[in-house]
Amino acid sequence: QTVVTQEPSFSVSPGGTVTLTCGLSSGSVSTSYYPSWYQQTPGQAPRTLIYNTNSRSSGVPDRFSGSILGNKAALTITGAQADDDSVYYCVLYMGGGISAFGGGTKLTVL
Amino acid sequence: QVQLVQSGSELKKPGASVKVSCKASGYTFTSYSMNWVRQAPGQGLEWMGWINTNTGNPTYAQGFTGRFVFSLDTSVSTAYLQISSLKAEDTAVYYCARVSSPYYKDYWGQGTLVTVSS
Repeated sequence: QTVVTQEPSFSVSPGGTVTLTCGLSSGSVSTSYYPSWYQQTPGQAPRTLIYNTNSRSSGVPDRFSGSILGNKAALTITGAQADDDSVYYCVLYMGGGISAFGGGTKLTVL
Repeated sequence: QVQLVQSGSELKKPGASVKVSCKASGYTFTSYSMNWVRQAPGQGLEWMGWINTNTGNPTYAQGFTGRFVFSLDTSVSTAYLQISSLKAEDTAVYYCARVSSPYYKDYWGQGTLVTVSS
């Protein structure tokens, strides 16, 4: 069974730039997996940030961007702010209506 | 505006059943499929499966077959998740999420906490 991989944790200084990645235990992530990214803060439902690799969801600041970097999907936060301190999940579309979540990356802004 | 409103928290004993509802508004219910996602305490998000709101056909992820049932009542634009023979490890927040094109979850319910404890 293919597993979606994410860094367990990352830290960034306020104003800094960070890139979180989303890979596969076997194979490469491409746009054909329609990568999407979600932000979740404690006690809240997930919030949709990025879909279809690099499209921002409505109302999402442009400091969030998505891309493919090498063989992984990537979420880049440019000019990190304190309220970006959250867990970020990537989701890959595996075909047949099936989704696969990564384990999430806990981003600390300090 | 699009909204997914889920039913309230549940406290159940092991072996009981629970039915979580997800009422959609602000769009044509049968035009978008619905996902169900589980989050155990302190854990990540886990995809449980999806239901085709046009046909009612459900698809379950590995680990969510047998005791988990997705259903619909299109007359009231509501999706349901029923879990039978509840176990302590079913304690989690359950989310419904609308699936938009291409293949992403654009709206989420607020989540329903199901606690299984004797």
